[in-house]
Amino acid sequence: DADVTQTPRNRITKTGKRIMLECSQTKGHDRMYWYRQDPGLGLRLIYYSFDVKDINKGEISDGYSVSRQAQAKFSLSLESAIPNQTALYFCATSDRNRGSYEQYFGPGTRLTVT
Amino acid sequence: GNSVTQMEGPVTLSEEAFLTINCTYTATGYPSLFWYVQYPGEGLQLLLKATKADDKGSNKGFEATYRKETTSFHLEKGSVQVSDSAVYFCALFEGAQKLVFGQGTRLTINP
Repeated sequence: DADVTQTPRNRITKTGKRIMLECSQTKGHDRMYWYRQDPGLGLRLIYYSFDVKDINKGEISDGYSVSRQAQAKFSLSLESAIPNQTALYFCATSDRNRGSYEQYFGPGTRLTVT
Repeated sequence: GNSVTQMEGPVTLSEEAFLTINCTYTATGYPSLFWYVQYPGEGLQLLLKATKADDKGSNKGFEATYRKETTSFHLEKGSVQVSDSAVYFCALFEGAQKLVFGQGTRLTINP
């Protein structure tokens, strides 16, 4: 089984809808991240969490919110989806004790907002 | 702020060709540098790393040397294979405990 899982893998939604992307991990890592990937722009950090009570905005947090329900779960919400949020979204984890630079990525969620 | 710039892709090579993907960075301190690889349909995975100047990271036949004087971390491989087709990301790890990624370079290897 995959160590970092994301659900759903693909989602098509309409403008204005609320949508939640979920991430779960079995690696026992304390740190979790949400990124979005757009062609030609690489990965951009949306939110990150160093533990359950520590959540921080990344470089592109506007229009998104997150919840760290447990050490193993970190969800990303789009309160009112808009077309320019169409992208590939990745969750990642890392272990503070092993150097947070080695991040383990989930398989991604492809989100299309029409 | 800190940033990473990679050579634009896509890059297309024949099998057994020599590969170079250029990466330069801007940073206020002395970051650690990384190459991540994304195979089709998958998330990113760490390929190699270098944590200080003149360090050479290597893995799976790929190498990159941390050059502080030119602020570069170019990825090289002597003989590429079809299975190396992927998107490659250069990244730096800054003091704020976050990875900063370049825009990615898509590599296609033809048999």
